[in-house]
Amino acid sequence: SQKIEQNSEALNIQEGKTATLTCNYTNYSPAYLQWYRQDPGRGPVFLLLIRENEKEKRKERLKVTFDTTLKQSLFHITASQPADSATYLCALDRGADGLTFGKGTHLIIQP
Amino acid sequence: NAGVTQTPKFRILKIGQSMTLQCTQDMNHNYMYWYRQDPGMGLKLIYYSVGAGITDKGEVPNGYNVSRSTTEDFPLRLELAAPSQTSVYFCASSSTEQGSYGYTFGSGTRLTVV
Repeated sequence: SQKIEQNSEALNIQEGKTATLTCNYTNYSPAYLQWYRQDPGRGPVFLLLIRENEKEKRKERLKVTFDTTLKQSLFHITASQPADSATYLCALDRGADGLTFGKGTHLIIQP
Repeated sequence: NAGVTQTPKFRILKIGQSMTLQCTQDMNHNYMYWYRQDPGMGLKLIYYSVGAGITDKGEVPNGYNVSRSTTEDFPLRLELAAPSQTSVYFCASSSTEQGSYGYTFGSGTRLTVV
């Protein structure tokens, strides 16, 4: 069956450093992959989408890579700030059947 | 620009009761989805719709029903509520089949069945 794995443990990063989150998947070949941010008590918010033929995508301090050979995506936040603290969700497309989400990684940026 | 609006935000149901979770979007999106999120778990797809009058089952449809009479509205019906349906429910919409511009989520409905 399809599996998406994100680091279930909280990731603690010092302010100003680069935070790197990992998303691994098996038994699937998605056409694209998305990253979302979720704050406590709120719905997920779309951040970035990367297609299978793209190696890297950037948006301001965010960068996403997509390695279809390794079946892995990396999500980077550079110059991290305490306001970046949240849970970050990786999601793979299933076409018209919607997205399959990972459990998310809780990121804590310490001042 | 309200986006996706869900009501109610919180609800407590007794076992066996029924209720409808409301979801409406004002972005003219064709695709709409209902997910549930349990603590420490990923979002699970319950039902989805590719347009008015068309709905289909997702990963965990048992105990739920949906309808899509208009582009804007996609209510989720719970019949005979069970404790296993205690969860946070999110409605989402997208403009394309693959959600290639991302999904827009509502703020969620926190449901407790006692």
